[in-house]
Amino acid sequence: DAGVIQSPRHEVTEMGQEVTLRCKPISGHNSLFWYRQTMMRGLELLIYFNNNVPIDDSGMPEDRFSAKMPNASFSTLKIQPSEPRDSAVYFCASRNKANQPQHFGDGTRLSIL
Amino acid sequence: AQSVSQHNHHVILSEAASLELGCNYSYGGTVNLFWYVQYPGQHLQLLLKYFSGDPLVKGIKGFEAEFIKSKFSFNLRKPSVQWSDTAEYFCAVNAHASGGSYIPTFGRGTSLIVHP
Repeated sequence: DAGVIQSPRHEVTEMGQEVTLRCKPISGHNSLFWYRQTMMRGLELLIYFNNNVPIDDSGMPEDRFSAKMPNASFSTLKIQPSEPRDSAVYFCASRNKANQPQHFGDGTRLSIL
Repeated sequence: AQSVSQHNHHVILSEAASLELGCNYSYGGTVNLFWYVQYPGQHLQLLLKYFSGDPLVKGIKGFEAEFIKSKFSFNLRKPSVQWSDTAEYFCAVNAHASGGSYIPTFGRGTSLIVHP
């Protein structure tokens, strides 16, 4: 059974560029989460979807960040324009029921120069 | 809003030492509790979970955790750590919110280093 799949694994780009992170949740899971992990701030929940609908986006840092889930098997997190302070590891996670644990992807290590 | 506190940010132990990592949460309603482990360079993986019943929960790799409702705590323990337990440990709470959703909240994490 494939786990949560994220791409790319690593992304290095210059500030001002648009960055798109992708996530494929586990088939049958109806909730999807985007997290950002840094040394300074730890693991932060950015946004989560339930049945493809955004439920809570209060963790999205600012308008430069946007997330979509056009269908049950795909989600994107976009940063436009990117800034050096956006450098972090971004994790996607999914779960199949509301009270169950989450399954995490391998993350995207993003470096903005 | 709920919150999760992990009091030990960094723990350094020698192999065979006993481990206890503290976790306290603030939420008065129904909760489900989890401990996750993140090995260096990897993603978070579930160690154990508590939903209901026996408050002493056994997980993988010899870990266990005890839910003490009166103290709002869910401490992680292992009687004898190994070098391979070196990792970041996260306590997490799914708090039951209105509408049937469960909002996940993670602690800041505890970095464990085990010396061989």
